Amino acid sequence: NAGVTQTPKFRILKIGQSMTLQCTQDMNHNYMYWYRQDPGMGLKLIYYSVGAGITDKGEVPNGYNVSRSTTEDFPLRLELAAPSQTSVYFCASSYSGPLGETQYFGPGTRLLVL
Amino acid sequence: AQSVTQLGSHVSVSEGALVLLRCNYSSSVPPYLFWYVQYPNQGLQLLLKYTSAATLVKGINGFEAEFKKSETSFHLTKPSAHMSDAAEYFCAVLAGGGNKLTFGTGTQLKVEL
Repeated sequence: NAGVTQTPKFRILKIGQSMTLQCTQDMNHNYMYWYRQDPGMGLKLIYYSVGAGITDKGEVPNGYNVSRSTTEDFPLRLELAAPSQTSVYFCASSYSGPLGETQYFGPGTRLLVL
Repeated sequence: AQSVTQLGSHVSVSEGALVLLRCNYSSSVPPYLFWYVQYPNQGLQLLLKYTSAATLVKGINGFEAEFKKSETSFHLTKPSAHMSDAAEYFCAVLAGGGNKLTFGTGTQLKVEL
């Protein structure tokens, strides 16, 4: 199993451009998550999904959109990129079992908005 | 709302010394607590978790944590630090449906010779 994969690894965007961060998992997990990580701030949840066709906002959703058309994929869309979106983005997934299931993380996408 | 506070953004220990990373939680319900580790330029991976079973939880790489309700703490320890333990450590608490987590701000562990 590849686990959780993310593409691209690194990207530079100009202000106002848009892009999609890709996330795929091959563990048949129903739950998927997008986080951003900023220095000294820990990880903040952007959006999450509890199954195909179901998404919900996390703590910091502004400026982002998601979709979940399949169990495997959970892309994150940035519209009109801003310097405040410079960050490292992590996708994660977990089994939809009892409370406290482990989240499995991808390697991250480093995004720089100039 | 559930939250965690990690005391000390940077901790430095000598190789072979005790590692103690602090985490205090705030929760209106019995908490589910986690410690994750992040090595440089990698994603997070689970070290251990507390899900209302035994209060002393053993994890990977010789780490363990003890849930203390009276102190609202879930500190991470390892008896003898190794150079390979140098990483950033995050405490997290279950934050509602969908197995959402709220993370602390992280503690960077440095291990010196």
